Amino acid sequence: DAGITQSPRHKVTETGTPVTLRCHQTENHRYMYWYRQDPGHGLRLIHYSYGVKDTDKGEVSDGYSVSRSKTEDFLLTLESATSSQTSVYFCAISEGLADISYEQYFGPGTRLTVT
Amino acid sequence: AQSVAQPEDQVNVAEGNPLTVKCTYSVSGNPYLFWYVQYPNRGLQFLLKYITGDNLVKGSYGFEAEFNKSQTSFHLKKPSALVSDSALYFCAVREQAYNNNDMRFGAGTRLTVKP
Repeated sequence: DAGITQSPRHKVTETGTPVTLRCHQTENHRYMYWYRQDPGHGLRLIHYSYGVKDTDKGEVSDGYSVSRSKTEDFLLTLESATSSQTSVYFCAISEGLADISYEQYFGPGTRLTVT
Repeated sequence: AQSVAQPEDQVNVAEGNPLTVKCTYSVSGNPYLFWYVQYPNRGLQFLLKYITGDNLVKGSYGFEAEFNKSQTSFHLKKPSALVSDSALYFCAVREQAYNNNDMRFGAGTRLTVKP
């Protein structure tokens, strides 16, 4: 999985609790992304980062925040988890400039269950 | 806005037969198009991409895809299917626009190759 690790790989949490997922890359790629995968929806972009401390919202950003204090780490936080955030979360990375379309490489995923 | 449709949830083929997984897209301008494959409990793996130039793109594991601008399609093909090709396939599109990091994925097509 292209030098990308995600932690934890599985998590069960209760409604209303905060949750942080971590993505770590060893490729020194500039761009990092968080997606969620749900049946019938494919992957949907939550947030992405185009550099240290540079982040932007994706298609489904409500209820999520992100931070990137180092090139290699991208954190996704659910401030107060809800059952609708039960999903599989994937981190992805890509290199290069915004106007050249490099493919993305994906981590192994984190399965989050909110009860 | 950009979007992708994969009209078939499931495709079944016999081993040795040709396979096609369909994808149509919608963008305002010109597209970058991608195919990814996902095996059980794994992240997505890049197969191939179309950026510009030759409409027939060749990728990993013997897969190829044909870009058809008039039909706004990017169907994935393989001349002879293998049982090991059984997986979930995703088409994705990103509009060719500066600083556009928004990649949209289709809902996925499950390919089953039977011996």
